[in-house]
Amino acid sequence: ELQLLESGGGLVQPGGSLRLSCAASGFTFSSYAMSWVRQAQGKGLEWVSSISGRSGSTFYADSVRGRFTISRDNSKNTLYLQMSSLRAEDTAVYYCAKGSDIVPTIFHRWGQGTPVTVSS
Amino acid sequence: DIVMTQSPDSLAVSLGERASINCKSSQSLLYSSNNKNYLAWYQQRPGQPPKLLIYWASTRESGVPDRFSGSGSGTDFTLTINSLQAEDVAVYYCQQYYKTPPFTFGPGTKVHIK
Repeated sequence: ELQLLESGGGLVQPGGSLRLSCAASGFTFSSYAMSWVRQAQGKGLEWVSSISGRSGSTFYADSVRGRFTISRDNSKNTLYLQMSSLRAEDTAVYYCAKGSDIVPTIFHRWGQGTPVTVSS
Repeated sequence: DIVMTQSPDSLAVSLGERASINCKSSQSLLYSSNNKNYLAWYQQRPGQPPKLLIYWASTRESGVPDRFSGSGSGTDFTLTINSLQAEDVAVYYCQQYYKTPPFTFGPGTKVHIK
Protein backbone atom coordinates (compact mmCIF):
# COMPACT_ATOMS: atom_id res chain seq x y z
CA GLU A 1 0.00 0.00 0.00
CA LEU A 2 1.32 3.43 -0.93
CA GLN A 3 2.25 5.54 2.10
CA LEU A 4 3.73 8.98 2.57
CA LEU A 5 4.70 9.88 6.12
CA GLU A 6 5.86 13.40 6.88
CA SER A 7 7.85 14.35 9.94
CA GLY A 8 10.03 17.13 11.28
CA GLY A 9 7.44 19.84 11.80
CA GLY A 10 7.26 21.90 14.95
CA LEU A 11 7.61 25.31 16.53
CA VAL A 12 10.50 27.48 15.35
CA GLN A 13 11.39 31.12 15.88
CA PRO A 14 11.38 33.61 13.02
CA GLY A 15 14.66 33.41 11.16
CA GLY A 16 15.17 29.83 12.24
CA SER A 17 15.52 26.61 10.28
CA LEU A 18 13.73 23.29 10.08
CA ARG A 19 14.05 20.17 7.95
CA LEU A 20 10.98 18.23 6.96
CA SER A 21 11.12 14.61 5.83
CA CYS A 22 8.67 12.45 3.93
CA ALA A 23 9.19 8.71 4.08
CA ALA A 24 7.68 6.94 1.09
CA SER A 25 6.72 3.29 0.70
CA GLY A 26 4.60 1.10 -1.54
CA PHE A 27 5.89 2.41 -4.88
CA THR A 28 9.14 2.84 -6.80
CA PHE A 29 10.12 6.14 -5.22
CA SER A 30 12.91 7.02 -7.63
CA SER A 31 10.56 6.86 -10.62
CA TYR A 32 8.29 9.68 -9.48
CA ALA A 33 8.46 13.40 -9.05
CA MET A 34 7.64 14.55 -5.54
CA SER A 35 6.34 17.84 -4.26
CA TRP A 36 5.62 19.85 -1.14
CA VAL A 37 2.32 21.70 -0.83
CA ARG A 38 1.38 23.75 2.20
CA GLN A 39 -1.84 24.93 3.76
CA ALA A 40 -2.16 27.66 6.36
CA GLN A 41 -4.89 27.02 8.89
CA GLY A 42 -8.30 27.68 7.41
CA LYS A 43 -6.74 28.64 4.07
CA GLY A 44 -6.24 27.10 0.66
CA LEU A 45 -3.47 25.03 -0.87
CA GLU A 46 -0.17 26.54 -1.98
CA TRP A 47 2.36 24.66 -4.09
CA VAL A 48 5.82 25.09 -2.56
CA SER A 49 8.34 22.98 -4.44
CA SER A 50 8.83 19.95 -6.68
CA ILE A 51 11.71 17.65 -7.56
CA SER A 52 11.92 15.25 -10.49
CA GLY A 53 12.42 11.53 -9.97
CA ARG A 54 15.84 10.70 -11.33
CA SER A 55 17.54 13.85 -12.54
CA GLY A 56 16.67 15.76 -9.40
CA SER A 57 15.59 18.90 -11.21
CA THR A 58 14.01 21.29 -8.73
CA PHE A 59 11.33 23.95 -8.89
CA TYR A 60 10.23 26.50 -6.29
CA ALA A 61 7.47 28.97 -5.63
CA ASP A 62 8.70 32.57 -5.59
CA SER A 63 7.64 32.84 -1.95
CA VAL A 64 10.24 30.28 -0.84
CA ARG A 65 12.96 30.43 -3.50
CA GLY A 66 16.34 31.08 -1.92
CA ARG A 67 15.12 30.05 1.54
CA PHE A 68 13.87 26.47 1.02
CA THR A 69 15.69 23.56 -0.57
CA ILE A 70 13.98 20.39 -1.76
CA SER A 71 16.00 17.21 -2.06
CA ARG A 72 15.56 13.46 -2.12
CA ASP A 73 17.48 10.34 -1.19
CA ASN A 74 16.28 7.61 -3.50
CA SER A 75 18.28 5.00 -1.56
CA LYS A 76 16.23 5.84 1.54
CA ASN A 77 12.93 6.52 -0.26
CA THR A 78 12.80 9.87 1.47
CA LEU A 79 11.95 13.40 0.39
CA TYR A 80 13.22 16.44 2.27
CA LEU A 81 12.47 20.11 2.59
CA GLN A 82 15.16 22.20 4.24
CA MET A 83 13.60 25.45 5.37
CA SER A 84 15.66 28.43 6.52
CA SER A 85 15.08 32.12 7.25
CA LEU A 86 11.60 31.13 8.31
CA ARG A 87 8.87 33.75 8.53
CA ALA A 88 5.51 33.89 10.26
CA GLU A 89 3.84 33.48 6.89
CA ASP A 90 5.50 30.07 6.46
CA THR A 91 3.26 28.75 9.25
CA ALA A 92 1.21 25.94 7.71
CA VAL A 93 0.67 22.25 7.44
CA TYR A 94 3.17 20.90 4.93
CA TYR A 95 2.08 17.97 2.78
CA CYS A 96 4.31 15.85 0.62
CA ALA A 97 2.68 14.63 -2.56
CA LYS A 98 3.60 12.02 -5.14
CA GLY A 99 3.41 12.97 -8.79
CA SER A 100 1.23 10.96 -11.12
CA ASP A 101 2.40 8.53 -13.81
CA ILE A 102 1.21 10.95 -16.47
CA VAL A 103 2.28 14.39 -15.33
CA PRO A 104 4.65 15.03 -12.42
CA THR A 105 2.61 17.92 -11.05
CA ILE A 106 -0.70 16.15 -10.86
CA PHE A 107 -0.58 15.45 -7.14
CA HIS A 108 -1.63 11.83 -7.16
CA ARG A 109 -1.28 10.88 -3.51
CA TRP A 110 -0.76 12.97 -0.39
CA GLY A 111 0.64 12.39 3.07
CA GLN A 112 -1.19 13.40 6.24
CA GLY A 113 0.96 16.50 6.64
CA THR A 114 3.26 17.90 9.31
CA PRO A 115 2.53 21.25 10.99
CA VAL A 116 5.07 24.05 11.08
CA THR A 117 4.60 27.06 13.33
CA VAL A 118 6.90 30.05 13.05
CA SER A 119 6.50 32.20 16.12
CA SER A 120 8.52 33.84 18.85
CA ASP B 1 1.64 33.34 -13.22
CA ILE B 2 -1.70 31.69 -13.94
CA VAL B 3 -4.36 32.79 -11.46
CA MET B 4 -7.17 30.40 -10.62
CA THR B 5 -10.54 31.55 -9.34
CA GLN B 6 -13.50 29.49 -8.17
CA SER B 7 -17.17 30.15 -7.65
CA PRO B 8 -19.10 30.01 -5.49
CA ASP B 9 -17.05 30.24 -2.30
CA SER B 10 -19.56 28.01 -0.55
CA LEU B 11 -22.43 25.85 -1.68
CA ALA B 12 -25.31 24.26 0.25
CA VAL B 13 -26.94 21.32 -1.51
CA SER B 14 -29.61 18.87 -0.41
CA LEU B 15 -28.72 15.19 -0.25
CA GLY B 16 -29.36 13.58 -3.61
CA GLU B 17 -29.21 16.89 -5.47
CA ARG B 18 -26.56 18.19 -7.87
CA ALA B 19 -23.66 20.46 -6.95
CA SER B 20 -21.74 22.45 -9.55
CA ILE B 21 -18.48 24.25 -8.91
CA ASN B 22 -16.86 26.61 -11.38
CA CYS B 23 -13.17 27.23 -11.91
CA LYS B 24 -11.65 29.88 -14.14
CA SER B 25 -8.03 30.33 -15.16
CA SER B 26 -6.37 33.60 -16.20
CA GLN B 27 -4.83 31.86 -19.22
CA SER B 28 -5.94 29.00 -21.39
CA LEU B 29 -4.99 25.59 -20.00
CA LEU B 30 -5.54 23.90 -23.36
CA TYR B 31 -2.25 22.69 -24.81
CA SER B 32 -2.61 22.67 -28.58
CA SER B 33 -0.03 19.95 -29.24
CA ASN B 34 -2.06 17.27 -27.44
CA ASN B 35 -5.49 18.96 -27.15
CA LYS B 36 -5.52 18.41 -23.40
CA ASN B 37 -6.59 20.77 -20.63
CA TYR B 38 -4.04 20.87 -17.80
CA LEU B 39 -6.59 21.08 -14.99
CA ALA B 40 -7.14 18.86 -11.96
CA TRP B 41 -9.74 18.75 -9.20
CA TYR B 42 -9.12 17.71 -5.59
CA GLN B 43 -11.40 16.97 -2.67
CA GLN B 44 -10.38 17.78 0.90
CA ARG B 45 -12.63 16.40 3.59
CA PRO B 46 -12.46 17.96 7.07
CA GLY B 47 -9.24 17.06 8.81
CA GLN B 48 -7.92 15.10 5.84
CA PRO B 49 -5.30 15.71 3.16
CA PRO B 50 -6.50 16.50 -0.36
CA LYS B 51 -7.45 13.68 -2.69
CA LEU B 52 -7.14 13.71 -6.46
CA LEU B 53 -10.54 13.38 -8.15
CA ILE B 54 -10.11 14.42 -11.78
CA TYR B 55 -7.28 15.33 -14.14
CA TRP B 56 -7.13 16.46 -17.78
CA ALA B 57 -10.24 18.41 -16.77
CA SER B 58 -12.53 15.42 -17.22
CA THR B 59 -10.68 12.14 -16.53
CA ARG B 60 -11.79 10.55 -13.30
CA GLU B 61 -9.06 9.12 -11.08
CA SER B 62 -9.31 5.40 -10.43
CA GLY B 63 -11.74 4.62 -7.61
CA VAL B 64 -13.55 7.96 -7.73
CA PRO B 65 -17.34 7.49 -7.86
CA ASP B 66 -18.92 8.26 -11.20
CA ARG B 67 -21.20 10.88 -9.64
CA PHE B 68 -18.14 13.16 -9.91
CA SER B 69 -17.55 14.60 -13.36
CA GLY B 70 -15.46 17.37 -14.82
CA SER B 71 -16.05 19.46 -17.91
CA GLY B 72 -14.86 22.57 -19.66
CA SER B 73 -11.96 23.71 -21.80
CA GLY B 74 -9.62 26.64 -22.21
CA THR B 75 -10.24 28.90 -19.26
CA ASP B 76 -13.59 27.72 -17.89
CA PHE B 77 -14.16 24.47 -16.06
CA THR B 78 -16.84 22.83 -13.94
CA LEU B 79 -16.86 20.06 -11.37
CA THR B 80 -20.28 18.45 -11.01
CA ILE B 81 -21.33 16.17 -8.20
CA ASN B 82 -24.51 14.32 -9.10
CA SER B 83 -26.71 13.02 -6.31
CA LEU B 84 -24.74 14.52 -3.42
CA GLN B 85 -23.90 12.12 -0.61
CA ALA B 86 -23.08 12.98 3.00
CA GLU B 87 -19.45 11.93 2.47
CA ASP B 88 -19.08 14.57 -0.26
CA VAL B 89 -19.04 17.36 2.33
CA ALA B 90 -15.62 18.84 1.66
CA VAL B 91 -13.69 21.69 0.15
CA TYR B 92 -12.99 21.27 -3.56
CA TYR B 93 -9.97 22.81 -5.27
CA CYS B 94 -9.05 23.14 -8.90
CA GLN B 95 -5.36 23.20 -9.86
CA GLN B 96 -3.55 24.02 -13.06
CA TYR B 97 -0.44 22.12 -14.08
CA TYR B 98 0.14 23.81 -17.41
CA LYS B 99 3.75 23.82 -18.52
CA THR B 100 5.94 25.67 -16.03
CA PRO B 101 5.60 26.47 -12.34
CA PRO B 102 4.03 27.79 -10.22
CA PHE B 103 1.32 25.14 -10.21
CA THR B 104 -1.49 27.16 -8.74
CA PHE B 105 -4.66 26.14 -6.96
CA GLY B 106 -7.99 27.86 -6.85
CA PRO B 107 -9.13 29.24 -3.48
CA GLY B 108 -11.52 26.37 -2.89
CA THR B 109 -15.28 25.86 -2.73
CA LYS B 110 -16.86 24.50 0.42
CA VAL B 111 -19.76 22.10 -0.15
CA HIS B 112 -22.14 21.37 2.70
CA ILE B 113 -25.56 19.88 3.19
CA LYS B 114 -28.64 22.07 3.03
